[in-house]
Amino acid sequence: EVQLVESGGGLVQPGGSLRLSCAASGFTVSRNYMTWVRQAPGKGLEWVSLIYAGGSPYYAASVRGRFTISRDESKNTVFLQMNSLRAEDTAVYYCARSRGDSAWYGFDYWGQGALVTVSS
Amino acid sequence: DIQVTQSPSSLSASVGDRVTITCRASQSIADSLNWYQQKPGKAPKLLVYAVSNLQGGVPSRFTGSGSGTDFTLTISSLQPEDFATYYCQQSYTSPDYTFGQGTKVEIK
Repeated sequence: EVQLVESGGGLVQPGGSLRLSCAASGFTVSRNYMTWVRQAPGKGLEWVSLIYAGGSPYYAASVRGRFTISRDESKNTVFLQMNSLRAEDTAVYYCARSRGDSAWYGFDYWGQGALVTVSS
Repeated sequence: DIQVTQSPSSLSASVGDRVTITCRASQSIADSLNWYQQKPGKAPKLLVYAVSNLQGGVPSRFTGSGSGTDFTLTISSLQPEDFATYYCQQSYTSPDYTFGQGTKVEIK
């Protein structure tokens, strides 16, 4: 059974850092695109970052230069390192996997979400 | 950048109603349009991929259609469990997979 479990969310001060983890089971993260999508309170979905099966990372303009996506194949886990956090980064962060070996057909499995609150 | 615009932003409907949600892309995106359902406090769920293909386990009352820039999600007979927010997403411009603003389907 495919499962994604996020961890690492919490309260952090502006300018601080946090690392989210997304532990996968039932499939191998290096065979799919893995993505992070966030949702600010009461708002819609915003794509944040993605790592291709080949390992190349990509970022939305709003987080480029501050966030880093990576994966550890030995742990079958994807990470999102978030630095220089701002109040507007406050959101629930979801990890998700591509349906197949590209994202053309959407993202078919999602984690439960990790709440990140940036506040002093 | 490709923009996707959903309409309406919200609607009220009764059980048994036919409901249609529209998504328009700012340029042609071929068949790279997916639909998600999200209930409060839950993760999004993939309903329809590549315009018209139902994800496994999704009831047949959900139908996706369209091409090019204009797409629709139709629920043929709204059920109590269908009250949720629906999002379209384009996957044409890898990796910037833009979501629509969402359509909240509420009970009338």
